[in-house]
Amino acid sequence: GENVEQHPSTLSVQEGDSAVIKCTYSDSASNYFPWYKQELGKRPQLIIDIRSNVGEKKDQRIAVTLNKTAKHFSLHITETQPEDSAVYFCAADASGGSYIPTFGRGTSLIVHP
Amino acid sequence: DVKVTQSSRYLVKRTGEKVFLECVQDMDHENMFWYRQDPGLGLRLIYFSYDVKMKEKGDIPEGYSVSREKKERFSLILESASTNQTSMYLCASSLDSGGSEKLFFGSGTQLSVL
Repeated sequence: GENVEQHPSTLSVQEGDSAVIKCTYSDSASNYFPWYKQELGKRPQLIIDIRSNVGEKKDQRIAVTLNKTAKHFSLHITETQPEDSAVYFCAADASGGSYIPTFGRGTSLIVHP
Repeated sequence: DVKVTQSSRYLVKRTGEKVFLECVQDMDHENMFWYRQDPGLGLRLIYFSYDVKMKEKGDIPEGYSVSREKKERFSLILESASTNQTSMYLCASSLDSGGSEKLFFGSGTQLSVL
């Protein structure tokens, strides 16, 4: 099945800095790569996603890049703010039919004011 | 907005008890999922269902079963709870594949087995 590796497990930055979280996947047939944000005590929520026919996607301060050849995708957050502090999960799909995502282990991002 | 509701936020059970975790979604979604969340291990799939009465094992199904008698409801059952099943359990739903893969999560049930 699909295997998703996520790094780093913890990331600490100063407010205003950029943050980058990286994921690799194993199944070359995967074609949908979402990122979920989970604030402390809350449910995970989708913040951005990318499909395999696109190399980069941006939404205000967040962006995701995809390198299909290397089976690697990354989340970029610019001008970080304290409210960006959360656990971020990447995922990749694992089947050819219904979408069944495999998640990375998560990155705890801490933004210091 | 889609609402995925889990019946309990916190549960405390004894070893050997049968435990039911309930999840209801209100947007006619095809797919429903049960995940287990443990620190450092991320979200691990226990079971999923893509239709009423249909179920498929995920990555860690041992010790669990599920029931989907109605489209909106997906139940996770711990037949005989054990201490290593102490965890946060998250239910999720999605419409289908092909452009509708976004998962909507419930707020989770923190289960403690003593």
